[in-house]
Amino acid sequence: KQEVTQIPAALSVPEGENLVLNCSFTDSAIYNLQWFRQDPGKGLTSLLLIQSSQREQTSGRLNASLDKSSGRSTLYIAASQPGDSATYLCAVRVKEYGNKLVFGAGTILRVKS
Amino acid sequence: DTEVTQTPKHLVMGMTNKKSLKCEQHMGHRAMYWYKQKAKKPPELMFVYSYEKLSINESVPSRFSPECPNSSLLNLHLHALQPEDSALYLCASSQVGGTVGTDTQYFGPGTRLTVL
Repeated sequence: KQEVTQIPAALSVPEGENLVLNCSFTDSAIYNLQWFRQDPGKGLTSLLLIQSSQREQTSGRLNASLDKSSGRSTLYIAASQPGDSATYLCAVRVKEYGNKLVFGAGTILRVKS
Repeated sequence: DTEVTQTPKHLVMGMTNKKSLKCEQHMGHRAMYWYKQKAKKPPELMFVYSYEKLSINESVPSRFSPECPNSSLLNLHLHALQPEDSALYLCASSQVGGTVGTDTQYFGPGTRLTVL
């Protein structure tokens, strides 16, 4: 059974700092890995999707890497801003069910101004 | 347009009520999903429709009944719910159904359900 773990559970940083969020998964048989952002009480916004054959994806100040063999992904946020404050969820698309996303518990990020 | 819409935004219902949640997308996606998210927990998959047919049912109680009337619409019919069913219900869609799971899932804003 696929399990996804995110570390740290919560993170508080001053504005402008570069930061790294970590995600690990137990079964490397994945189609892809997706990072989402969720604001309190809201839906999920897709940030980056990395296919299983890719090593990284970039969008603006965000960079996500994937090491499938070791079951790890990192989300790097450069020059953090208070507007980045949210919960960041990592999810893997598992091959046992073609369309199932298995989510980690998330990292709650607070960027202080 | 990468928008998934859900109505209503909020719903309060008693345990004897019957209500429905609605989800709509106009991106031409052929896979649609219902997720349940309890407070401070990650979303958990409930149902997957692929080409308007139910392809995954994650052992969800029968008081939740999904329906996909066409490729753009997804409903979740609710009946005789329990207070522990109170949660954020999220709908999502993706381009490809079946076993080729390389596409992005797009999520709606969710319906906040409270069962009294």
